[in-house]
Amino acid sequence: GDSVTQMEGPVTLSEEAFLTINCTYTATGYPSLFWYVQYPGEGLQLLLKATKADDKGSNKGFEATYRKETTSFHLEKGSVQVSDSAVYFCALTDSSYKLIFGSGTRLLVRP
Amino acid sequence: EAGVAQSPRYKIIEKRQSVAFWCNPISGHATLYWYQQILGQGPKLLIQFQNNGVVDDSQLPKDRFSAERLKGVDSTLKIQPAKLEDSAVYLCASSLYPGQLSTDTQYFGPGTRLTVL
Repeated sequence: GDSVTQMEGPVTLSEEAFLTINCTYTATGYPSLFWYVQYPGEGLQLLLKATKADDKGSNKGFEATYRKETTSFHLEKGSVQVSDSAVYFCALTDSSYKLIFGSGTRLLVRP
Repeated sequence: EAGVAQSPRYKIIEKRQSVAFWCNPISGHATLYWYQQILGQGPKLLIQFQNNGVVDDSQLPKDRFSAERLKGVDSTLKIQPAKLEDSAVYLCASSLYPGQLSTDTQYFGPGTRLTVL
């Protein structure tokens, strides 16, 4: 079945550092790809999405590009802030439009 | 626009007791989902409704879990009897309509954290 694999955390960075969180997927067909973020004590929020190959999703300084050739959707940000500390989930929608999530990557940003 | 509402936010029960969770989706959203998120894992779909019909309940433990969506709006998820391994956050999400790229984004509620002792 379809699946998503994320790098294990926690990822600990200093403020203003460059962030990459790796995400790869296995899917039949052409899924849409998503990054969701979960701040402490809150629900999941959509961060960005891409619906076809080579699309770039972006929001709040975060970016991810849908790479069909490497089946990847890595999340990047040029300069992280303390307020970016959260758990980040990579996900895809399968052929029945069901969301399948990775296990999440916790990001800790130190001042 | 109001988001997805869930209640209660927290619930603690003894094993073998029953519990129910409520969800009110975003107005106009035809599709409603219930997910289970165990600590340290990503959410896992339990059941998907399209209006008031079930689309996918393949991962719902039907011997103890049940869900309904009356009138195609609010939904309740029930566990009876609860087991220790049911301790998790139960998330409700809604979307306009699946299968159309512009409307397949799911919006999540804050979740209900269930602890089974």
